[in-house]
Amino acid sequence: AQKVTQAQTEISVVEKEDVTLDCVYETRDTTYYLFWYKQPPSGELVFLIRRNSFDEQNEISGRYSWNFQKSTSSFNFTITASQVVDSAVYFCALSEGAGGYNKLIFGAGTRLAVHP
Amino acid sequence: SQTIHQWPATLVQPVGSPLSLECTVEGTSNPNLYWYRQAAGRGLQLLFYSVGIGQISSEVPQNLSASRPQDRQFILSSKKLLLSDSGFYLCAWSQGGVREKLFFGSGTQLSVL
Repeated sequence: AQKVTQAQTEISVVEKEDVTLDCVYETRDTTYYLFWYKQPPSGELVFLIRRNSFDEQNEISGRYSWNFQKSTSSFNFTITASQVVDSAVYFCALSEGAGGYNKLIFGAGTRLAVHP
Repeated sequence: SQTIHQWPATLVQPVGSPLSLECTVEGTSNPNLYWYRQAAGRGLQLLFYSVGIGQISSEVPQNLSASRPQDRQFILSSKKLLLSDSGFYLCAWSQGGVREKLFFGSGTQLSVL
């Protein structure tokens, strides 16, 4: 069965610190997609990144970077020089579906608090 | 551009009362629609998804039901709410298959007392 584990329930850092959010997944599929979403206090989930199983290149977008390693089934998310606005719950998700739909299997989320 | 509307934003209901949450999508046709629930301090659990009008798939046996009376309308219902139905309910849509990202509504905080 598909499963996503985010072992870190809560992380607290001081502004400008770097922080890494861990994500480990389980799947028997050879083709799959991984996602990260941000949930700010307003509640709406905001899409951050999508990665397919055949692309292991790390990705950087501004202060955000993602490290995808199939050998360890991990898809970790790093925020460099964190800011107060980064405070949110972050979810890692794995796609499951066939044909014309996508069911996302979410991890439990990591609550990040960035303090001034 | 596409938008998703979900209402109400908050709802307080007594145990045993009915429930109806509505979600509509604009700016796209034949979207896949989803209802997720987020219990306090937990991840998101997929409740229902729909790939077309009248087509509903249930992921978890429960006290809730879903309907899709129109292409871009998705409704979550219950005849009699339980305390365990409390949570944050999110509607989402996607276009296409397994690689497509989901777009989420702003959610409904349901408290059953």
